[in-house]
Amino acid sequence: ETGVTQSPTHLIKTRGQQVTLRCSSQSGHNTVSWYQQALGQGPQFIFQYYREEENGRGNFPPRFSGLQFPNYSSELNVNALELDDSALYLCASSLDRGQNNEQFFGPGTRLTVL
Amino acid sequence: QKEVEQDPGPLSVPEGAIVSLNCTYSNSAFQYFMWYRQYSRKGPELLMYTYSSGNKEDGRFTAQVDKSSKYISLFIRDSQPSDSATYLCAMNRNAGNMLTFGGGTRLMVKP
Repeated sequence: ETGVTQSPTHLIKTRGQQVTLRCSSQSGHNTVSWYQQALGQGPQFIFQYYREEENGRGNFPPRFSGLQFPNYSSELNVNALELDDSALYLCASSLDRGQNNEQFFGPGTRLTVL
Repeated sequence: QKEVEQDPGPLSVPEGAIVSLNCTYSNSAFQYFMWYRQYSRKGPELLMYTYSSGNKEDGRFTAQVDKSSKYISLFIRDSQPSDSATYLCAMNRNAGNMLTFGGGTRLMVKP
């Protein structure tokens, strides 16, 4: 069974640029959630996708957007990057969207905004 | 005030010690409680998953939930240097599985 994978591992961008991060969910999982983890803090929920539709969103501005594809892989897009967007971006997949479904995390993409 | 509070540590213990990690929360809507372990520059790894108040044991790990006090704990028995990591508590509400995390406690187990 393949776990959650994310690409790229590391990324350096400058302020104002746009970035796309990618996530492949664990086999058989139809729900993907994205989290932002700033240095020394716990992850913060960005949004969740279930069967290609957004299924909930945290307190993040509209310049954070996402997609989920028919194979349940997902993208996180961030426009107009700001210095505070520097963080580890984590993707987690689960078997379904219900509250009793465990979430399995990928290794993350470390984004640095200069 | 954050919804989930967790002492950031670092917590330093000798090998073999019993470790106690704790989180408090303010929202009684939280129903499911998890503990994740995160090694440096890695994604969180699920350790324990509980629903009801009480204890749940898995090997050297015991998770405890007290919903009346809005307090959860993770105990690690016979701690090992390989347990050195950041421990994150997480919880979610009845609807959906969007997790709310504590800030994490950094644990160091010294040989």
